[in-house]
Amino acid sequence: KQEVTQIPAALSVPEGENLVLNCSFTDSAIYNLQWFRQDPGKGLTSLLLIQSSQREQTSGRLNASLDKSSGRSTLYIAASQPGDSATYLCAVRGNFNKFYFGSGTKLNVKP
Amino acid sequence: GAGVSQSPRYKVAKRGQDVALRCDPISGHVSLFWYQQALGQGPEFLTYFQNEAQLDKSGLPSDRFFAERPEGSVSTLKIQRTQQEDSAVYLCASSSQDTSNQPQHFGDGTRLSIL
Repeated sequence: KQEVTQIPAALSVPEGENLVLNCSFTDSAIYNLQWFRQDPGKGLTSLLLIQSSQREQTSGRLNASLDKSSGRSTLYIAASQPGDSATYLCAVRGNFNKFYFGSGTKLNVKP
Repeated sequence: GAGVSQSPRYKVAKRGQDVALRCDPISGHVSLFWYQQALGQGPEFLTYFQNEAQLDKSGLPSDRFFAERPEGSVSTLKIQRTQQEDSAVYLCASSSQDTSNQPQHFGDGTRLSIL
């Protein structure tokens, strides 16, 4: 069974710092990888989706990379802001439309 | 509405009662997913529909859990004879036909508490 791990579990940084969130998965046979943001009491908001054939995707201050062969993805957030405070989740899509999520990284950006 | 809508937002039930959770996907979205999210964890896959067909129900934890999508739009997740371990947030997501390059769109979930 696919296992998805996210490190660190929690992260607290001062405003303005660049930061990297890590996601690893055990089975490299994936179709895509998706990064989400989850605010307290809310559902998940899709941030970036990387197809298995792609190496990275960018949206504004966010950049996600994918190294499928080594089972790793990183989410880079530039010039962090207090509004970026949330839990960030990664998910991989395997066979038969099964999606596997990590437990998330809880980010706190201090003003 | 433009997004995935779930109701109720909160549900409290006594152990042994049956509950029904509703999901209205984005109009025209073919694929619909249900997930269970325990506190501090990522969502765990429960079941998947393509139109009205339930193609995968391997994540349903027991035969007390049942999901349907009879007309290929609205879906209902039913839990019979609820147990305390069923307490969680239940999330619904939908996506358009080809999920290999389309993101999943999530509702805000139903927080279920079993007393």
